[in-house]
Amino acid sequence: GENVEQHPSTLSVQEGDSAVIKCTYSDSASNYFPWYKQELGKRPQLIIDIRSNVGEKKDQRIAVTLNKTAKHFSLHITETQPEDSAVYFCAARPLSDKVIFGPGTSLSVIP
Amino acid sequence: GAGVSQTPSNKVTEKGKYVELRCDPISGHTALYWYRQSLGQGPEFLIYFQGTGAADDSGLPNDRFFAVRPEGSVSTLKIQRTERGDSAVYLCASSPQRYNEQFFGPGTRLTVL
Repeated sequence: GENVEQHPSTLSVQEGDSAVIKCTYSDSASNYFPWYKQELGKRPQLIIDIRSNVGEKKDQRIAVTLNKTAKHFSLHITETQPEDSAVYFCAARPLSDKVIFGPGTSLSVIP
Repeated sequence: GAGVSQTPSNKVTEKGKYVELRCDPISGHTALYWYRQSLGQGPEFLIYFQGTGAADDSGLPNDRFFAVRPEGSVSTLKIQRTERGDSAVYLCASSPQRYNEQFFGPGTRLTVL
């Protein structure tokens, strides 16, 4: 079945700097890759997603890139702010419809 | 409109007891998912419903776990003979249809003593 790995597990950046989180997946049939943000004690919330027919997608300070050949996808957050501090999960959806999550990256933005 | 709701928000039980966790999806959402999240981990897929039927239950850890969605709306996750290892946050998510964004509920924190 699908397996999603995520790096780094923790990331600290200065406010205003960029943050990059990288994920790999194993099932080449996966076609949908969402990213979720989860604040402490809260539910995961979708921040951006990308489908397999697109290589890059951007929404204000957040962008995601997808390399289907290498089975890599990455989240880029620019001009980070303290409120960006949270745990970020990447995920992949194989043809079976269930969504497989990575282990998460704890991002701390230092003011 | 109302989001996904889950009850109870917290459940403490003793080893060997039976528990039921309830999920109310967003009205009109046909797809419903159950996940389990342990501390410091990503959500782990348990089961997915499309309408009333379980389309994929491959994530249920063993036969102590069972879920139903009899009318295609509310779902109940049932755990028999609970074990301490079942302690986790159980998340429910719904989606308007297949292949769409999932909206998560607040979760039920289950503690088995």
